Amino acid sequence: RKEVEQDPGPFNVPEGATVAFNCTYSNSASQSFFWYRQDCRKEPKLLMSVYSSGNEDGRFTAQLNRASQYISLLIRDSKLSDSATYLCVVHQIGTSYGKLTFGQGTILTVHP
Amino acid sequence: EPEVTQTPSHQVTQMGQEVILRCVPISNHLYFYWYRQILGQKVEFLVSFYNNEISEKSEIFDDQFSVERPDGSNFTLKIRSTKLEDSAMYFCASSEKDRANDEQFFGPGTRLTVL
Repeated sequence: RKEVEQDPGPFNVPEGATVAFNCTYSNSASQSFFWYRQDCRKEPKLLMSVYSSGNEDGRFTAQLNRASQYISLLIRDSKLSDSATYLCVVHQIGTSYGKLTFGQGTILTVHP
Repeated sequence: EPEVTQTPSHQVTQMGQEVILRCVPISNHLYFYWYRQILGQKVEFLVSFYNNEISEKSEIFDDQFSVERPDGSNFTLKIRSTKLEDSAMYFCASSEKDRANDEQFFGPGTRLTVL
């Protein structure tokens, strides 16, 4: 089983749509969770951290379910500029804090 | 806004040659990392570095790889004898603290092509 697994998509949605991405992780000792965004041939950039209580940043809402080892990202009112690959990222206890484990990414295309 | 920089942006080399990829982390950051991303695949951790020592390295980071902080600003990744499968995007990252939820800032990457 992959350490961090995501539906690769691609997701093609119209502007204004709501889209949700899911991610599962295999190591129950995982400690911290993030969503990164990666534009084509660019570096990953932190979109938001994910907390157990759930957290929201504008149009973006992240949820964590530790019991199910499941992370989600919801994007409301999609914009053309949201087109990118969304990376689910996990840090595990017992490793160097810097060791981030990435999922393969979910591709989102928002069209007019 | 401070940023991580990397040079060169693209490096083409012949198999068996040595390459050095350079990174300048954000100035007040103390923790440094290298990741790689083979085209079409996920980002993979290579190595973390703190206080002039490797903190952790992955299985990918074998004897052909080394890292160094030769001065107060640069952080380098050396591949001694490149192989075709080393072709990838190499990202340097840095963070201020070694906390689980501390943000890592990534550089724009160096695309390494091994012929």
